[in-house]
Amino acid sequence: AQKVTQAQTEISVVEKEDVTLDCVYETRDTTYYLFWYKQPPSGELVFLIRRNSFDEQNEISGRYSWNFQKSTSSFNFTITASQVVDSAVYFCALVKTSGTYKYIFGTGTRLKVLA
Amino acid sequence: DSGVTQTPKHLITATGQRVTLRCSPRSGDLSVYWYQQSLDQGLQFLIQYYNGEERAKGNILERFSAQQFPDLHSELNLSSLELGDSALYFCASSPPAGGVKGAQYFGPGTRLTVL
Repeated sequence: AQKVTQAQTEISVVEKEDVTLDCVYETRDTTYYLFWYKQPPSGELVFLIRRNSFDEQNEISGRYSWNFQKSTSSFNFTITASQVVDSAVYFCALVKTSGTYKYIFGTGTRLKVLA
Repeated sequence: DSGVTQTPKHLITATGQRVTLRCSPRSGDLSVYWYQQSLDQGLQFLIQYYNGEERAKGNILERFSAQQFPDLHSELNLSSLELGDSALYFCASSPPAGGVKGAQYFGPGTRLTVL
């Protein structure tokens, strides 16, 4: 069975703190993609990153970084020096790519960054 | 503005009715994805089309159907509506061959309320 777990339902931090959002996944497939999406209070969905299961290199984009570890089936997302605009719900997703594509979403982590 | 348009923004209808949601992808994008976000079910992938052909199918009910037309716009048809179909429906598009690292671009969503 495939599953994505975002155990942190809600996190509150003070501006400029670093924060890590956890994502743990389960799959028996060897080829898959992992995604992170952001949903700010305005409601739209924003794509953040896609990672291929064969690529375990960490990714950094500005204040955002992602740590993919197959050994622990985790794809964690860190925001450095958080800002109020980072307040949003963040979703992690797993996409199986062999056979029929199947997307599994986590339940999301609500991040509140306080000024 | 992602470049993906969805109409209508809001839709209120009654149980048993049928509605059509429309999505126009970004210029040049061949893939269209449909997602449903509800309080009960969270964020779910429904279906993906690529250049007019169904590419992936998720948790889409038999009462729901979709298609992608030659001009690449897509429609999601929801019939025999039930109260539980009330949700935010997102459309996303992505460029051919996954574009830059698999980016997906989301529309603003259609909020469907079934009374």
